[in-house]
Amino acid sequence: QSVLTQPPSVSGAPGQRVTISCTGSNSNIGAGYGVHWYQQLPDRAPKLLIYGNTNRPSGVPDRFSGSKSGTSASLAITGLQAEDEADYYCQSYDSSHVIFGGGTKLTVL
Amino acid sequence: EVQLLESGGGLVQPGGSLRLSCAASGFRFNKYAMSWVRQAPGKGLEWVSDIRESGDPTYYADSVKGRYTISRDNSKNTLYLQMNSLRAEDTAVYYCAKWLAAAANYYYYGLDVWGQGTTVTVSS
Repeated sequence: QSVLTQPPSVSGAPGQRVTISCTGSNSNIGAGYGVHWYQQLPDRAPKLLIYGNTNRPSGVPDRFSGSKSGTSASLAITGLQAEDEADYYCQSYDSSHVIFGGGTKLTVL
Repeated sequence: EVQLLESGGGLVQPGGSLRLSCAASGFRFNKYAMSWVRQAPGKGLEWVSDIRESGDPTYYADSVKGRYTISRDNSKNTLYLQMNSLRAEDTAVYYCAKWLAAAANYYYYGLDVWGQGTTVTVSS
């Protein structure tokens, strides 16, 4: 059982917008720690998509955006593309421990 | 090019030991906190351990505390993970990763560089 809760799966058609939620608590997301998002393609290492709740590293398309409110955060992907099909993980911090969500599998229909 | 290259994985019997290495290049290794993250077959990401840029302090997940030791040699640009008393549930791909910011509150910034991973299998 992960400290951060994500839906196991989401899906969308090409061109659509999807969101992935990440629910924590007052000891992690709600305490002000940054939320980060990673994309993991099959058999590949994770890739940082969003850091510090809303920031995109250089090279990440602006189709990916992050938000945070209270004890939850969300990753939004607009203009869905076939290449976006992957696992997505949120990450934060709690009691000197790094914590990950359980991951969400995005299927592009 | 910024790069991390893990090595040292393999097959080990329950109760055995392994030492993983992660060779860093393309950035000032001694300025950044580093982490180990693992992924069991078909499962999600699990944080294992952090180490500050100087080598101290270190942090561990409860699942490995007392069995694993993270360390670094800044003169060799190398991160290590000594794994003792290995169990079947430690079977995973182990990734080393670099934190994005050279900052005291590095955990606000995410892990921006990951190695390709090294596979550890604990089985008799």
